[in-house]
Amino acid sequence: GEDVEQSLFLSVREGDSSVINCTYTDSSSTYLYWYKQEPGAGLQLLTYIFSNMDMKQDQRLTVLLNKKDKHLSLRIADTQTGDSAIYFCAEIPEDTGGFKTIFGAGTRLFVKA
Amino acid sequence: KAGVTQTPRYLIKTRGQQVTLSCSPISGHRSVSWYQQTPGQGLQFLFEYFSETQRNKGNFPGRFSGRQFSNSRSEMNVSTLELGDSALYLCASTPDRNTEAFFGQGTRLTVV
Repeated sequence: GEDVEQSLFLSVREGDSSVINCTYTDSSSTYLYWYKQEPGAGLQLLTYIFSNMDMKQDQRLTVLLNKKDKHLSLRIADTQTGDSAIYFCAEIPEDTGGFKTIFGAGTRLFVKA
Repeated sequence: KAGVTQTPRYLIKTRGQQVTLSCSPISGHRSVSWYQQTPGQGLQFLFEYFSETQRNKGNFPGRFSGRQFSNSRSEMNVSTLELGDSALYLCASTPDRNTEAFFGQGTRLTVV
């Protein structure tokens, strides 16, 4: 089935680390993605991880993938007020032809100064 | 390279009317998808078009339809608008399988 689940809200203090979690159901996805949506804007790709990797680091971002549990997380180090946004976890199941992106509901990150 | 362009940015319609939204994908991208975003339901997949054919469809009523033209531009239409259709409608284009989707700014539709 196609389902991606995320918690809806996360609040952190500026300078702390943020961890956003996601679970997905379709193990056929080749890549898993994190998108960011700022107020009034469309979605922008933040980072992605290939399904045969456990971890990917990109500057302040760390993506961890537990394929056995179908669990994906995004860690933002040294969170800044500019990181306040909605973060979407997404997968592209192979059985949709590889073009249909399934999104979670999005986690709204609040960063307190 | 120009990004995904959606027009109009904002629309206000009354119940019962119909509306057409437009999306121009990034040049060279042949797949175009549409999503509805509401505070309560999150991001819901509407449909995906590739080479003028609808290949994937979400769970929306038949009032929601779309099409794609030979230049890959896409339109979506909503007929007999309901208050619950008020949402941000996002279009995304993709260059190839299993690659990231590039999103437009969206069209914010308000039904009154």
